[in-house]
Amino acid sequence: DIVLTQSPATLSLSPGDSATLSCRTSQSISTSLAWYQQKPGQAPRLLIYAASSRASFIPDRFSGSGSGTQFTLTINSLEPEDFATYYCQQRSGRLPLTFGGGTKVEIK
Amino acid sequence: QLVESGGDLVQPGRSLRLTCTASGFTFDDHALHWVRQPPGKGLEWVSGVTWNGDSLGYADSVRGRFTVSRDNAKKSLYLQMSTLKTEDTALYYCARDINNSGLYGSDFWGQGTLVTVSS
Repeated sequence: DIVLTQSPATLSLSPGDSATLSCRTSQSISTSLAWYQQKPGQAPRLLIYAASSRASFIPDRFSGSGSGTQFTLTINSLEPEDFATYYCQQRSGRLPLTFGGGTKVEIK
Repeated sequence: QLVESGGDLVQPGRSLRLTCTASGFTFDDHALHWVRQPPGKGLEWVSGVTWNGDSLGYADSVRGRFTVSRDNAKKSLYLQMSTLKTEDTALYYCARDINNSGLYGSDFWGQGTLVTVSS
């Protein structure tokens, strides 16, 4: 199985700060990575697919980068609604389609 | 819209069938998945299926016990769960992929149905 390791587990920031979230995979997956946002009591929401493509209606303060085994989700100028937990998922076609353990972005 | 149903409180070793019913989009244009989330924990991909019903496989933790299927005429996705264990307790989400390739991600999710396995 491809293991996804997200870091840090928790990120404490203030509104207006920038956030940098990391996802490392145990095997190279080219750019086959998706990022999701989840708020308490809500279903996940797709933010980024294919490592760097923004999903529909996602603000441009969210951006993704990376390839191979190292990926980054950047959130510029955090808005109050961005405080949530973020997950990466590998979509390389190699099963199972594993998720990372998540990074919680909390208000400092 | 994706609406999951069938979640319940069941005893270990019993079976349960989850259903996800879709509306508002062309059902057979998309691969579909089941993803679960134990209370207070992260997301776990369970299983998926292509537009024509071919399985995309299973998580190691459920392989041999769970079976995924879909009925395009009924716009429904199913998860047959057998020999349930306490560790199967979770909120089970149905999720729709961007397209049928399986390579991009799930852009639409239901609100989930809760499965509790306990004696």
